[in-house]
Amino acid sequence: QVTLKESGPVLVKPTETLTLTCTVSGFSLSNPTMGVSWIRQPPGKALEWLAHIFSNDEKSYSTSLKRRLTISKDTSKSQVVLTMTNMDPVDTGTYYCVRIRQNWFDPWGQGTLVTVTS
Amino acid sequence: DIQMTQSPSSLSASVGDRVTITCQASQEISNSLNWYQQKPGKAPKVLIYGTSNLETGVPSRFSGSGSGTDFTFTISSLQPEDIATYYCQQYDDLPITFGPGTKVDLK
Repeated sequence: QVTLKESGPVLVKPTETLTLTCTVSGFSLSNPTMGVSWIRQPPGKALEWLAHIFSNDEKSYSTSLKRRLTISKDTSKSQVVLTMTNMDPVDTGTYYCVRIRQNWFDPWGQGTLVTVTS
Repeated sequence: DIQMTQSPSSLSASVGDRVTITCQASQEISNSLNWYQQKPGKAPKVLIYGTSNLETGVPSRFSGSGSGTDFTFTISSLQPEDIATYYCQQYDDLPITFGPGTKVDLK
């Protein structure tokens, strides 16, 4: 069974750096046909794709956020890490870790709610 | 970036109704479109991939069609468990982008 689980801080202060970890099971991050994305959703709003990483270390980022984002992976630990610098209250939302299966997202992690507040 | 629009933004329908949602891309995306269902408090779930392919286990009342810039998602007979928000998503070009969502509820 494929699962992904996000972990990280629930509260972050403005200007701080957010670090989120996605721990996967049921598939390998070295599998050449799969990758992992991070997607976020502000409360009551739409989904926003943030970044992805594949087994060959190919990475891509949201145009509007790429200066603040870094995605990396540790294949031996089955983990994908996303860092987002200079957090702002508008970055409050649920952050999802998702497997990229061919060209669609499946399955999704349960999501982790991050609140940015002083 | 490719912009995705959806209409309507919300709709109310009765059990058994046919429900249609449209999604439009700001440029041609071939058939590189997926549809997701998100129930309140839950993570999204893929229903349709590659415009018209039904994900395994998804009821056949869900369907998708279209190509180029205009796409349609249909629920042939709305069921109470279909109450959710539906999102389209393009993967023709990076960055990946989602539509703003269509909220479906019961009349």
